[in-house]
Amino acid sequence: EPEVTQTPSHQVTQMGQEVILRCVPISNHLYFYWYRQILGQKVEFLVSFYNNEISEKSEIFDDQFSVERPDGSNFTLKIRSTKLEDSAMYFCASRGLRGKNIQYFGAGTRLSVL
Amino acid sequence: KQEVTQIPAALSVPEGENLVLNCSFTDSAIYNLQWFRQDPGKGLTSLLLIQSSQREQTSGRLNASLDKSSGRSTLYIAASQPGDSATYLCAVKGRGNDMRFGAGTRLTVKP
Repeated sequence: EPEVTQTPSHQVTQMGQEVILRCVPISNHLYFYWYRQILGQKVEFLVSFYNNEISEKSEIFDDQFSVERPDGSNFTLKIRSTKLEDSAMYFCASRGLRGKNIQYFGAGTRLSVL
Repeated sequence: KQEVTQIPAALSVPEGENLVLNCSFTDSAIYNLQWFRQDPGKGLTSLLLIQSSQREQTSGRLNASLDKSSGRSTLYIAASQPGDSATYLCAVKGRGNDMRFGAGTRLTVKP
């Protein structure tokens, strides 16, 4: 069964550094999403992406964040200058154009900012 | 703004017991509702998805129901096992692009 793949599974970085989290969505999917989950808190929506542009973003997704689909298979989340409070699990999801409006989630990348 | 609430926050049961997890949401205009399982420090495993036109879905020992008009869903787990111990998340897909998650119910099944 096709799945959403995220790399790395765990990323450790120093405060102020830039990080790029990578996702390979399911191959024929056209809608892409990033969510995050701070330890002990709810999963929160960050951004959705369709047709090479952001279609919706939450108040969390400020100027420090950006997303890109650099080629036909990858979908990335960049955090420009990481803060301690960016430490969280980041989930990528994708869905197809048709069907049951189901988002398929990756296993997540745990980001630890020291 | 859609708010999703899950009760109880934590539940501990002996092995073999049947149990019910509850999820409520404030805006009944939803496309679907999904139940996930999350093991500590791990990703989200989708368990069941109910479309807005459906009232329930079943998979093995799991049964999820949806009452859209009252803004409620339940996840029923039959004959619970220690391997069912995890956090169960409810998420709702509404008009927007995002899914709204509840805080989860942390389930412990004791042998």
